[in-house]
Amino acid sequence: DVKVTQSSRYLVKRTGEKVFLECVQDMDHENMFWYRQDPGLGLRLIYFSYDVKMKEKGDIPEGYSVSREKKERFSLILESASTNQTSMYLCASSSPPSGTYEQYFGPGTRLTVT
Amino acid sequence: RKEVEQDPGPFNVPEGATVAFNCTYSNSASQSFFWYRQDCRKEPKLLMSVYSSGNEDGRFTAQLNRASQYISLLIRDSKLSDSATYLCVASGSARQLTFGSGTQLTVLP
Repeated sequence: DVKVTQSSRYLVKRTGEKVFLECVQDMDHENMFWYRQDPGLGLRLIYFSYDVKMKEKGDIPEGYSVSREKKERFSLILESASTNQTSMYLCASSSPPSGTYEQYFGPGTRLTVT
Repeated sequence: RKEVEQDPGPFNVPEGATVAFNCTYSNSASQSFFWYRQDCRKEPKLLMSVYSSGNEDGRFTAQLNRASQYISLLIRDSKLSDSATYLCVASGSARQLTFGSGTQLTVLP
């Protein structure tokens, strides 16, 4: 079974803090993704990566950055957390050999910024 | 216009009922389609892929109509455990997926 893990299930941070969300997958997947999920807005793609040291902006990258130093690990960074970044953050991975790109998700990190 | 649109529901049905969810997608270049299931406060999990020929997995049947850019999911003999949010998904550019906002289903005893 594919396993995607995220460093924290719940996180509370103060406005202005730098926040690191870590994601690790154990299936040697090429592709990794960070989403946020908010009620009524669904899943929105923040950043994604197809390879080590490679990153691409998704639909809502503002206020976020990412790092992929190793294939299995993809980190999301909130440079200066703001209250509008309170959300559920979901990491996912996928691999091209199957050709269909279905994604496998981690359990999510519920971040509250106060 | 959203790239993947679904009726948000909620759908409240009795146990044993048949329920159908519909979804439309706007990107005619989409090649892959899926239904995901998301339980309350949990991550989305792949329920099934959707193929042009239609496919069935037990009580679940998925259909794709490329001409109308329409995807459906039929659940027969609903169980209490089917209560969840169902996400319609279409592939976007390259390896990305575009998720609908989800349709909420509650199966009542």
